[in-house]
Amino acid sequence: KNQVEQSPQSLIILEGKNCTLQCNYTVSPFSNLRWYKQDTGRGPVSLTIMTFSENTKSNGRYTATLDADTKQSSLHITASQLSDSASYICVVSARDSSYKLIFGSGTRLLVRP
Amino acid sequence: EAGVAQSPRYKIIEKRQSVAFWCNPISGHATLYWYQQILGQGPKLLIQFQNNGVVDDSQLPKDRFSAERLKGVDSTLKIQPAKLEDSAVYLCASSFVDRNNYGYTFGSGTRLTVV
Repeated sequence: KNQVEQSPQSLIILEGKNCTLQCNYTVSPFSNLRWYKQDTGRGPVSLTIMTFSENTKSNGRYTATLDADTKQSSLHITASQLSDSASYICVVSARDSSYKLIFGSGTRLLVRP
Repeated sequence: EAGVAQSPRYKIIEKRQSVAFWCNPISGHATLYWYQQILGQGPKLLIQFQNNGVVDDSQLPKDRFSAERLKGVDSTLKIQPAKLEDSAVYLCASSFVDRNNYGYTFGSGTRLTVV
């Protein structure tokens, strides 16, 4: 069964600190993996998209890694800011006729001053 | 480039009432999706259109939910009658017809509260 699991469910960090969010997936065949940021009351916004051949991609203070062998991804946030407080959703696209996106449940990050 | 437009942003209704949401996708995006996102969970696909045809509506509660995309552009999602458990954010997304789903973009969503 195609699944995406994220950990932790929630995380509280102090402003300026770094953090890493985890994503494990069992989607096959794999097409790509993306990380979204979702502010409260808003739609998800794409941070990074990685294909099978990419193992790291950065977007400002956000760096995503992908290990296609172990089917794991991580999102590292450097020097966190209050505006980073949001839910971060890992989404995997299946390379089949459905073109479906399989969503994780997200990690809720709270950055405190 | 204009994004995916949704309206209304918020809606509060009583149970057993009906409600409709509207979505206008990015120009040129043939594929349109409606998702339901319950607080603390990831989005759940309700229905996927390609142009004006339904590709997947397997998770749409068809006894109360309906959706249409008559001209292959904008779309409406209706709930009739609403239940308390329908309280959620309803997200619309659109993309090109593309195996890699590049260009996949979400709207800001409609937050529905059923009281």
